[in-house]
Amino acid sequence: EAGVAQSPRYKIIEKRQSVAFWCNPISGHATLYWYQQILGQGPKLLIQFQNNGVVDDSQLPKDRFSAERLKGVDSTLKIQPAKLEDSAVYLCASSFRDRGTNEKLFFGSGTQLSVL
Amino acid sequence: DAKTTQPPSMDCAEGRAANLPCNHSTISGNEYVYWYRQIHSQGPQYIIHGLKNNETNEMASLIITEDRKSSTLILPHATLRDTAVYYCIEKTSGSRLTFGEGTQLTVNP
Repeated sequence: EAGVAQSPRYKIIEKRQSVAFWCNPISGHATLYWYQQILGQGPKLLIQFQNNGVVDDSQLPKDRFSAERLKGVDSTLKIQPAKLEDSAVYLCASSFRDRGTNEKLFFGSGTQLSVL
Repeated sequence: DAKTTQPPSMDCAEGRAANLPCNHSTISGNEYVYWYRQIHSQGPQYIIHGLKNNETNEMASLIITEDRKSSTLILPHATLRDTAVYYCIEKTSGSRLTFGEGTQLTVNP
């Protein structure tokens, strides 16, 4: 079975520029997550979708970060404008079960963002 | 914020069992213990989870103490490919998966 696909694998931008990341979850997975992982730390949840609806975006810096999951499949995460502290790996994950049950998350390999 | 405590690093000889401890002294009755690992340059990978009974699957065994305040993840025959950061996470059904800093396990030849 194909895993979670993410692109690009690497991105280098200057501060105040915009950037977008793309994620294609495992087929049939209703739940999609975006995590941010700063070097040396564990991943931190930014936003969780159930189909195309947001169920948790409490840790998303909404002044600069946005995400969408049109049609309940692919998702994009955007940063506009980027700051130096946004340098991190952005991980996408998906799971089959609905929120409210114990679910196993499958992660992509991430997009490594460097903001100069 | 993560509520589990893990040693920052551990070493293990190839072919030997790796026993990774985790303290979760404030765990509540409806919280599960989850283990994920993250190999360098990859996303985290689910290993196993449990509530109060010991669990085993093709990857590992999870031993949870009777009072549920701590647990141990056991990799029975560690290989070089098991070198990774291992995360122990408390989680209720439906709550977000919150990662701490984990344990860096290094398997040595």
